Amino acid sequence: TQLLEQSPQFLSIQEGENLTVYCNSSSVFSSLQWYRQEPGEGPVLLVTVVTGGEVKKLKRLTFQFGDARKDSSLHITAAQPGDTGLYLCAGGDSGNEKLTFGTGTRLTIIP
Amino acid sequence: NAGVTQTPKFQVLKTGQSMTLQCAQDMNHEYMSWYRQDPGMGLRLIHYSVGAGITDQGEVPNGYNVSRSTTEDFPLRLLSAAPSQTSVYFCASRRTGTGGMETQYFGPGTRLLVL
Repeated sequence: TQLLEQSPQFLSIQEGENLTVYCNSSSVFSSLQWYRQEPGEGPVLLVTVVTGGEVKKLKRLTFQFGDARKDSSLHITAAQPGDTGLYLCAGGDSGNEKLTFGTGTRLTIIP
Repeated sequence: NAGVTQTPKFQVLKTGQSMTLQCAQDMNHEYMSWYRQDPGMGLRLIHYSVGAGITDQGEVPNGYNVSRSTTEDFPLRLLSAAPSQTSVYFCASRRTGTGGMETQYFGPGTRLLVL
């Protein structure tokens, strides 16, 4: 069974600060996705990375896939209250048939 | 275009009761899946389907059955509910692309409490 560990589990910071959350595994994934989930709703896809070392930017969010495709990070610059939510990483298996989700990072941005 | 819809939104069951969680999508997606979300454990895959008539087990299939008679619908059945099945259940759908993982769309979830 492939496992994805996310850290930190909880993070609470002031508006305007920068932060990084991590997604780590001992397994290799063919692709890595990041989702954000609001309370009472389903997860919403933010980004998909497929190449080792790939970096993608989405406004103030920067996503990186590790060179060995075993880990990923999400960096948020100048965090805003609207960034509050549960961030989930998910790795695709070799056939891109099944997704394994990480344990999640619950982020709170304090105005 | 409603996306992925799930019913009911909330359900309370007694141990041993059976029920079906409904999931439908109107995007003509081949791939559909069911996850359960428990505190501190992320989402875990229960069952999935790559097309009508085809289903397969995920990480935690025990106690759950699925069928896929149409492209649009993918119901999840609990034959004899147990307290360990108390959770939030999410249905999701996506295209089966030939490249990397396609965008997966989630429904709003069903909150199930088994007493």
